[in-house]
Order: sequence, then structure tokens, then C-alpha cells
Amino acid sequence: DTAVSQTPKYLVTQMGNDKSIKCEQNLGHDTMYWYKQDSKKFLKIMFSYNNKELIINETVPNRFSPKSPDKAHLNLHINSLELGDSAVYFCASSQATGLQETQYFGPGTRLLVL
Amino acid sequence: GEDVEQSLFLSVREGDSSVINCTYTDSSSTYLYWYKQEPGAGLQLLTYIFSNMDMKQDQRLTVLLNKKDKHLSLRIADTQTGDSAIYFCAGLFSGGYNKLIFGAGTRLAVHP
Repeated sequence: DTAVSQTPKYLVTQMGNDKSIKCEQNLGHDTMYWYKQDSKKFLKIMFSYNNKELIINETVPNRFSPKSPDKAHLNLHINSLELGDSAVYFCASSQATGLQETQYFGPGTRLLVL
Repeated sequence: GEDVEQSLFLSVREGDSSVINCTYTDSSSTYLYWYKQEPGAGLQLLTYIFSNMDMKQDQRLTVLLNKKDKHLSLRIADTQTGDSAIYFCAGLFSGGYNKLIFGAGTRLAVHP
């Protein structure tokens, strides 16, 4: 019955590897997001998808590629991982308008690149 | 551009009130939010306020919004040790699609 879920919860990998993080929401929301939280806890949006269409793409390296197979899923694939990619990645979802714009967050995926 | 700022640390005694402050630069904000993050956990939505409101109360939480000064505050009454966490202020700005801009977070430490 989890609203926004992410897998895996923890990910430890070597520099240069390719990895994916998955996100699913069962809230019936139209919009999903990926945020990155760095070691200083600063949160910044990376991407947003509305009904499987990319609507926000912040200045994120093109090694990061989001994919939305349907509006309940937004996955994040990262190529050629670098040390600086170590962070906590949060997925979130919201409806499109009004009060339903409130974003609900997943538990986070803690990525450590060695 | 949009910017949201918060003080980084706050220490209070158990039972006292905590007030966490936030300022923002863009007056086009529609909603302003407070999220709580406990150690090792995700972000929990605490409360929100629409930009045409001045105040919102929800049990021990009181949110005050001063639109003129672009200042938002979160007051926690009777602060408990379980309130120790990082509190993020965030603004939803109307300049684009649902772009939520977060402050850096205020670490609240509650001591006996």
C-alpha cells in the first residue's frame, strides 16, 4: 500500500558502471519527478514527467536518462557513474493542478559510487 | 530566478516552541510547503499554505506567511525529541511546470 516506492533502497557500485533506479507510484498521479539530495542535504530537481512526457529537464549531465514506460513509473538510468553522483535520489509524484500539485516523495535511493 | 533560504540550525529545549524561518525571492509562488526529513528517511509532507492565506494551524503546527516580506515560518508548539529532524521549506512557483524549489533545510535539535 506504499504510495511512492523506489528500488533499490541502497546501491553501492564502482565508478564507470551503469545503474538504474526504479520508481513507482500508486496514487494515480499524472506527474513524476526525480530529485537529487547531496551530502549537505541540499535538494534539487533533476527531471519531471507528465503523462510520460518530459516537462522539466534541469542542467543534468546526459549520462542521466529518465524513462517513463507509463504514468505510474519513472525510472532513472545512469551511465558511466562518477564519484560525484554519490547522493540520495528521491522520486516524487503529484497531480497536475491546484491543491493536487502537492508532491509526495518516495523513501529515497542511497547511491554510493566508489 | 527562484530562491528559497533557511537558517541551517536550531536548538530548542523539550517542551518549548520552535520557530523555523524561511524566505523566498519569487513572488509568483502559489503554494509553500514544509517537509520533514528524519535521519536516513525520506521526505514527509508536514503542511502547506496557499499563497493567499496568512496563517494555517494544524495541531501543534502553525504556518505564518507574510507575502509582503516573502517570509514563511513554521512554529512547532511543545517541541518533543521526536521532532528532531531536518525541516525543508519549499515553494511551488508558477513560472513553469510544478517546479518545487527547496531551501537548504533547517536542522532542529531538541534537547531535554
